Amino acid sequence: DIQMTQSPSSVSASVGDRVTITCRASQGISSWLTWYQQKPGKAPKLLIYAASNLQNGVPSRFSGSGSGTEFTLTISSLQPEDFATYYCQQADTFPFTFGPGTKVDI
Amino acid sequence: QVQLVESGGGVVQPGRSLRLSCVASGFTFRSFGMHWVRQAPGKGLEWVAVISYDGSHEIYAESVKGRITVSRDNSKNTLYVQMNRLRPEDTAVYYCARDNAEYGSGPYGMDVWGQGTTVIVSS
Repeated sequence: DIQMTQSPSSVSASVGDRVTITCRASQGISSWLTWYQQKPGKAPKLLIYAASNLQNGVPSRFSGSGSGTEFTLTISSLQPEDFATYYCQQADTFPFTFGPGTKVDI
Repeated sequence: QVQLVESGGGVVQPGRSLRLSCVASGFTFRSFGMHWVRQAPGKGLEWVAVISYDGSHEIYAESVKGRITVSRDNSKNTLYVQMNRLRPEDTAVYYCARDNAEYGSGPYGMDVWGQGTTVIVSS
């Protein structure tokens, strides 16, 4: 199985900060990388698919980049509603696998 | 609106079985592959299984292979997962989720999620 890692595991930030989360795959996955946001007690929400494509309705302050084995999610100006846990997931090969998550808190 | 609603969770003894359901509405269910994803208490997300839009193909995570079966009834807009020989480590919130591409036309993640149903495996 393809192993996914994320760094950092948690980050403390303030409203207006720029936040970058890194996701690495244990082998190349082309651009088949998805990012989700999850708030406590809620289902995950799709933010970005195919590494850099913003899902409909997701604010433009979210962006994704990368290919191969290294990917980043950037929140350009953190808003109060962005405090959550973020997961990457590879969609290149079954079984799909998720990263362990990055918690963004105040 | 586009919606997925899971049901069937509960408390079950180790070794017993449980069937979860996921009813879809607001979209053409038969056009989309469907996934099950679970989340153990306080843990991250674990992909469990996928079934193709027409039910002809299924793929499972190693952790559940041989113990769970995913199926769908497109006439009822319903996805199922039959879980057998349950173990304490199967305790989790189980989410159904829609493939983010019709007819499996691209690995674009999962764009619609249910609210989840909780399974607790305990004696």
